[in-house]
Amino acid sequence: TQLLEQSPQFLSIQEGENLTVYCNSSSVFSSLQWYRQEPGEGPVLLVTVVTGGEVKKLKRLTFQFGDARKDSSLHITAAQTGDTGLYLCAGAASGTYKYIFGTGTRLKVLA
Amino acid sequence: DVKVTQSSRYLVKRTGEKVFLECVQDMDHENMFWYRQDPGLGLRLIYFSYDVKMKEKGDIPEGYSVSREKKERFSLILESASTNQTSMYLCASNQGTKLLAQHFGDGTRLSIL
Repeated sequence: TQLLEQSPQFLSIQEGENLTVYCNSSSVFSSLQWYRQEPGEGPVLLVTVVTGGEVKKLKRLTFQFGDARKDSSLHITAAQTGDTGLYLCAGAASGTYKYIFGTGTRLKVLA
Repeated sequence: DVKVTQSSRYLVKRTGEKVFLECVQDMDHENMFWYRQDPGLGLRLIYFSYDVKMKEKGDIPEGYSVSREKKERFSLILESASTNQTSMYLCASNQGTKLLAQHFGDGTRLSIL
């Protein structure tokens, strides 16, 4: 069974600080997505990474896919209160339409 | 914008009842998914469908069934609800390739008493 572990599970930081969230697996994924979920809503896609070693930037958010396509990281620079939410990674399992979701990182950014 | 609509935001049912959760998408997507979300466990796939009348089991299908009679509608059925099925249920859809986003509904918080 493919699993995705995220760390940390919870993170509370002050506005302006930097942070990194990790998504790790022993399995290889053909692609990996990051989502953010706000209270009372469904997850919304932030980015998809496909190639090992790929780095994508979305304003203050930087996403990296590991060289072996088994892990990924999300780095936020100068966090803002609007970044508060649950961050989920999701790996595309080979050969099926299935996605494996990570356990989630709940981020709270304090003013 | 893609819209995925789940019929209820909150639902309270009793053990043993048959429960229907409905999901409708308006973008002609091929794939539809049902997940349950529990704290510390992330999203776990219950069932998915890649075409009308086609379905495949996800990671936790026990106690659930699904129906996809029309392309836009995907129903999750709890045959005989149990308290361990109390959870947040999320429906999602996307087009054929896994590189494209899954679009989620806002979820149904189901309580089984």
